[in-house]
Amino acid sequence: QVQLVQSGAEVKKPGASAKVSCKASGYTFTSYYMHWVRQAPGQGLEWMGKINPSDGSTSYAEKFQGRVTMTRDTSTSTVYMELSSLRSDDTAVYYCARGGGWLQFWGQGTLVIVSS
Amino acid sequence: EIVLTQSPGTLSLSPGERATLSCRATQSISSNYLAWYQQKPGQAPRVLIFAASTRATAIPDRFSGSGSGTDFTLTISRLEPEDFAVYYCQQYGTSPPLTFGGGTKVEIK
Repeated sequence: QVQLVQSGAEVKKPGASAKVSCKASGYTFTSYYMHWVRQAPGQGLEWMGKINPSDGSTSYAEKFQGRVTMTRDTSTSTVYMELSSLRSDDTAVYYCARGGGWLQFWGQGTLVIVSS
Repeated sequence: EIVLTQSPGTLSLSPGERATLSCRATQSISSNYLAWYQQKPGQAPRVLIFAASTRATAIPDRFSGSGSGTDFTLTISRLEPEDFAVYYCQQYGTSPPLTFGGGTKVEIK
């Protein structure tokens, strides 16, 4: 069965970077895009971008351009999302989700807290 | 960028009642590529409907989606206790970016 397992919670100081991983299993890793979606406390869902695990090409939401980097490691079927220059309003749960457009499978989420 | 507006913000209903949730887009969604998700506290979202009206795997038939162009509806025919949650619509017809609506909370009356 398809599983997306994310790394654990992180606490970061403002200005630092956070790198979240998402390990995929149960399907051919290179056959599906992986998206990243975040959710601030008590708020809605916000799309950050996607990566094509086959060739590593990426597309980022304009809001995060210059601050987000998505990469993948095909040897371990893992995708990574790194967000730099963290601010307090980056405190959120970050999800990876598999899909072409609609998001069929989701990771369990990773809480990133940005606090001094 | 397509903006999705969901209404109402909160829906207060009793188990067994019918729930009708609306999602309106600022421009026509190509190929009716609209999905609906359910999210419960502390959990990741779960897809219910894609392509406006196709139920995802293992989704009960009390959930149905309809609509086209700019106006879409999620209907829950008879609310079960486990259906009280937040629901989001999401478009993928014109992307990037994917965009989500602000959500509708279905709460117990």
